[in-house]
Amino acid sequence: EIVLTQSPGTLSLSPGLRATLSCRASQSLYSNYLAWYQQKPGQAPRLLIYGASSRATGIPDRFSGSGSGTDFTLTISRLEPEDFAVYYCQQYDNSPPGTFGQGTKLEIK
Amino acid sequence: EVQLVESGGGLVQPGGSLRLSCAASGFTVSSNYMSWVRQAPGKGLEWVSVIYNGGNTYYADSVKGRFTISRDNSKNTLYLQMSSLRAEDTAVYYCARVMFGFNFVEYWGQGTLVTVSS
Repeated sequence: EIVLTQSPGTLSLSPGLRATLSCRASQSLYSNYLAWYQQKPGQAPRLLIYGASSRATGIPDRFSGSGSGTDFTLTISRLEPEDFAVYYCQQYDNSPPGTFGQGTKLEIK
Repeated sequence: EVQLVESGGGLVQPGGSLRLSCAASGFTVSSNYMSWVRQAPGKGLEWVSVIYNGGNTYYADSVKGRFTISRDNSKNTLYLQMSSLRAEDTAVYYCARVMFGFNFVEYWGQGTLVTVSS
């Protein structure tokens, strides 16, 4: 089973700044089948990125995904107040159906 | 518009059973990959089960032999029959539509809480 490790566990930043979240896989995702989700308190997750770098429908362009192999990054270019949430990565290279990371909490500093 | 509405959650004693339902609209359940994903209180996300358009199914090891995923095409509804429930099954259960041909979630329901406790 592929294990995903997200870092940091918690990231404290101010609105307007850039956020960089990391997701590392225990073995290579040869097809770069990695997704990112955002979850706000009391809500279901929402798909942000799939295929490591493709934005889902309706996702603002301040969200971008990058990376390949074992190292992947979610970048939020300029933090808006509504971006503070928990972010999960998920690999679907080794299915079914794939595994989730443990999450990174992005909080307001 | 794609909508997924779960129901059937609640409080159940250890060893008991519960059936979750997910009413779908805006698309056809039987033509898609459908899944249940759960989240224990304060914890991360865990795949529970997937049913593919052809009817093949997948179960997490933690629920294999105890949970059954199914669908009713006439009602366009997904189900999760849960039996021999344990305290560690306590979680919010999300119904999800999985991207066809892949295994990431496109759409999520709002979730239904299952609490296993005496």
